[in-house]
Amino acid sequence: AQSVTQPDIHITVSEGASLELRCNYSYGATPYLFWYVQSPGQGLQLLLKYFSGDTLVQGIKGFEAEFKRSQSSFNLRKPSVHWSDAAEYFCAVGVLTGGGNKLTFGTGTQLKVEL
Amino acid sequence: DGGITQSPKYLFRKEGQNVTLSCEQNLNHDAMYWYRQDPGQGLRLIYYSQIVNDFQKGDIAEGYSVSREKKESFPLTVTSAQKNPTAFYLCASSDPRRTTYEQYFGPGTRLTVT
Repeated sequence: AQSVTQPDIHITVSEGASLELRCNYSYGATPYLFWYVQSPGQGLQLLLKYFSGDTLVQGIKGFEAEFKRSQSSFNLRKPSVHWSDAAEYFCAVGVLTGGGNKLTFGTGTQLKVEL
Repeated sequence: DGGITQSPKYLFRKEGQNVTLSCEQNLNHDAMYWYRQDPGQGLRLIYYSQIVNDFQKGDIAEGYSVSREKKESFPLTVTSAQKNPTAFYLCASSDPRRTTYEQYFGPGTRLTVT
């Protein structure tokens, strides 16, 4: 069965500093990978996705992620963090099952931004 | 604007009562999903539906029930059999014709059972 690991539960960065959030997945075939962001008490917003092609994908709000098959990783990066980026971030892997398309989520990384 | 609505945002119930959470979408998506979110556990899939009048159990379906009578609507009932129903519930939808599987989420309903 597929799984997603986000090893960092909490991360604190200073505003203007660079950011990298880690995500490792386990899946037998070529994965479809996603990063979502969630503000407190809100739903999830899709930041970016990878399904094929260029391993460096660009998303909204200045985020990017790199798919590395050899490391089973899909880390999220941002060169300069803004205070408004403080939120919880979820990595997910998409799989096709007999019942349809499903996403499996990691447990999330809570990002705090210090001013 | 197209999107997913969940109502109410906050819901309070007494233990032993069934409660139904609403989810409506106007994205014309065939597939809809219900997730439960607890602190530190990410999102766990309760039920999903790929098409009207059909649905499948997810990873934690015990104590929950759903119906899918209309494409736009996928209500979730939390029954009294659910041992720990207090949680944040998220509804999502996707277009299965798009092979990239992305799901779009509603704003969520926080259910508190005392």
